Amino acid sequence: EIVMTQSPATLSLSPGERATLSCRASDNVGTNLAWYQQKPGQAPRLLIYDASTRATGIPARFSGSGSGTDFTLTISSLQSADFAVYYCQQYNAWPPYSFGQGTKLELK
Amino acid sequence: EVLLVQSGAEVKKPGAAVKISCKVSGYTFIDHYIHWVRQAPGKGLEWMGLVHPEDGETIETEKFQNRVYMTADTSTDTAYMEVTGLTSDDTAIYYCATALRGMRLLGGMDVWGQGTTVTVS
Repeated sequence: EIVMTQSPATLSLSPGERATLSCRASDNVGTNLAWYQQKPGQAPRLLIYDASTRATGIPARFSGSGSGTDFTLTISSLQSADFAVYYCQQYNAWPPYSFGQGTKLELK
Repeated sequence: EVLLVQSGAEVKKPGAAVKISCKVSGYTFIDHYIHWVRQAPGKGLEWMGLVHPEDGETIETEKFQNRVYMTADTSTDTAYMEVTGLTSDDTAIYYCATALRGMRLLGGMDVWGQGTTVTVS
């Protein structure tokens, strides 16, 4: 089973700042990685798939990079709507298609 | 409009079973896997498994094998997940989700149901 580890657990930033969230896989997942945003009381929202492709309607300030075992989600200039919890998910060949434990992006 | 509409909240006793439904509309049901994901109170997301509506094929996380059953009814475009032998650890919000950007995708789910809260007490 592939274990996904996200860091940091909590990230405290201000609007306008740049956010860098990390996700590490315990084994090679290629580019089979997605990023989601979840706000309280809501279902997750897909931001990035295939490691670097923005989902439909996702603003350009969100970008994803990486391959193999190390991945990054970058939010170039934080807006108030971006403060939420972010999860990565790997979907390489073998299940379970596990999620990371999440990074909480909070207002500083 | 693409929608995944789940059944309502449930309260169950330990040892009981619960069956959650996920009715889809706005796309061709048989072309896309339905994934099931759960989230315990204050915790992260846990991928449970998926069902392929076209042929009923399922893939479950090993920890849920023989306790979780995923099915799909193509006559009503509805997916179901039954969880048996409930314990307090199964108290969670259960989501169905699918990835519409392509066929039979294993991750990167872009459409989600609203969630079904299951409380075991």
